[in-house]
Amino acid sequence: DTGVSQDPRHKITKRGQNVTFRCDPISEHNRLYWYRQTLGQGPEFLTYFQNEAQLEKSRLLSDRFSAERPKGSFSTLEIQRTEQGDSAMYLCASNRGSNEKLFFGSGTQLSVL
Amino acid sequence: DQQVKQNSPSLSVQEGRISILNCDYTNSMFDYFLWYKKYPAEGPTFLISISSIKDKNEDGRFTVFLNKSAKHLSLHIVPSQPGDSAVYFCAASRDSGGGADGLTFGKGTHLIIQP
Repeated sequence: DTGVSQDPRHKITKRGQNVTFRCDPISEHNRLYWYRQTLGQGPEFLTYFQNEAQLEKSRLLSDRFSAERPKGSFSTLEIQRTEQGDSAMYLCASNRGSNEKLFFGSGTQLSVL
Repeated sequence: DQQVKQNSPSLSVQEGRISILNCDYTNSMFDYFLWYKKYPAEGPTFLISISSIKDKNEDGRFTVFLNKSAKHLSLHIVPSQPGDSAVYFCAASRDSGGGADGLTFGKGTHLIIQP
C-alpha cells in the first residue's frame, strides 16, 4: 500500500494560465474524490468518481474546473484560465466504497500570481 | 451556511491531561461522523468515526461521543501526548464511504500539547 499519490506537490502559475494536477489512488480503490482546502477552512468537496464514471460534479467551483478519470485508475483535475482566488491546496482521496474511510493524498499547493 | 462547525480555532492542553475537541452540525440528514488529523504539508489522516446509531466509539486513547438530539459530537484524547499536536477536523456524511455528497468538514481546531 503506497498510499494516494499527488503530483506536483507545489505549482506556481500566472493568472490566466491553465494548470493540471494528477492523482494516483490506492490501487484497489474504485472511488476517487477531489477536495479543495483554502487557508483557515476545512477541505471542500469538489467531485467524485466511481471507477471511470464521474458521479458528482455539480460541486465543481465553476466551468473552468474539470476532472477526468479515463481508465478508472489515475485522475486529473484541470483549472483553465486560473484566477488568484484559485490559490489553495487541492486534495485527492480514495476508498473502496461504502463503509470505507477516505485516504487522502498530501495535496497539490497551487499559488496563482 | 456552515453545516459542520468547530467553534474553537485552537486549544492548548498540558501533556498527560485530557483534550476535548467539540463539533456541532446542523444537517439532520448526516448519518456518519468522522475525525481527521492533519499535520502541516500532509493530507488529512483518518482518526476515528461513529455512525448515528451509536453514541460512543472508542479506539485506544481516542473516544468520540455523539449526542444526536443536540447535534453535537466531541473527541476525547486521554492522555494527551506531544505527537497529538495537529489540526483536527470534524467531518460528516450521509454515506459512510463519502459517497456522492462527499464529506462536509468543519474549519478545524489546532490542538497544541504543552510539555
